Amino acid sequence: DTGVSQDPRHKITKRGQNVTFRCDPISEHNRLYWYRQTLGQGPEFLTYFQNEAQLEKSRLLSDRFSAERPKGSFSTLEIQRTEQGDSAMYLCASSSGPLNTEAFFGQGTRLTVV
Amino acid sequence: SQQGEEDPQALSIQEGENATMNCSYKTSINNLQWYRQNSGRGLVHLILIRSNEREKHSGRLRVTLDTSKKSSSLLITASRAADTASYFCATGDNYGQNFVFGPGTRLSVLP
Repeated sequence: DTGVSQDPRHKITKRGQNVTFRCDPISEHNRLYWYRQTLGQGPEFLTYFQNEAQLEKSRLLSDRFSAERPKGSFSTLEIQRTEQGDSAMYLCASSSGPLNTEAFFGQGTRLTVV
Repeated sequence: SQQGEEDPQALSIQEGENATMNCSYKTSINNLQWYRQNSGRGLVHLILIRSNEREKHSGRLRVTLDTSKKSSSLLITASRAADTASYFCATGDNYGQNFVFGPGTRLSVLP
């Protein structure tokens, strides 16, 4: 399968712990996005990479959040000192081609902070 | 803040009926996309319509775009139980690099 894959699919962590999620985009896609989605809401933009460069960050991305995309391939999203409010589905998407073309989403990582 | 707002928030219909969902947005866009999400899963891209297009078809889906009213509609014809999902519109502009999603319409198709 050559779609977007995310790992892990589920993560339960205690408040205050650090967590890291991984996203492997479709191999030829140069754009990679992270979104967060809470129950009953639409996805909220977190950050965006073009190749290895992080070009845009949402104000939702507090200093406890950091994302990387070394070598422009896979990406990681780390949350430090997790809080209960961080509980959500974290979605990764990738796209290629001109601005604002179709994005392909992974299945997401569901984070539960207890 | 979310750019698109879908209407209605929830829709329940019988199998075989048509389902229409609307999306309104606030600023100028380059394109508008519709996605489907089954419960607890990732989003599946359905259709993209560019700002210079007025209507687009894909199978049982028909999307319209009215840039003067800043609105779009998604029509699903001859609905099936498998169409039960949440449907989101997402807008992209000429400046930003990300897609802005609305809160979605939850569609239930009853057998």
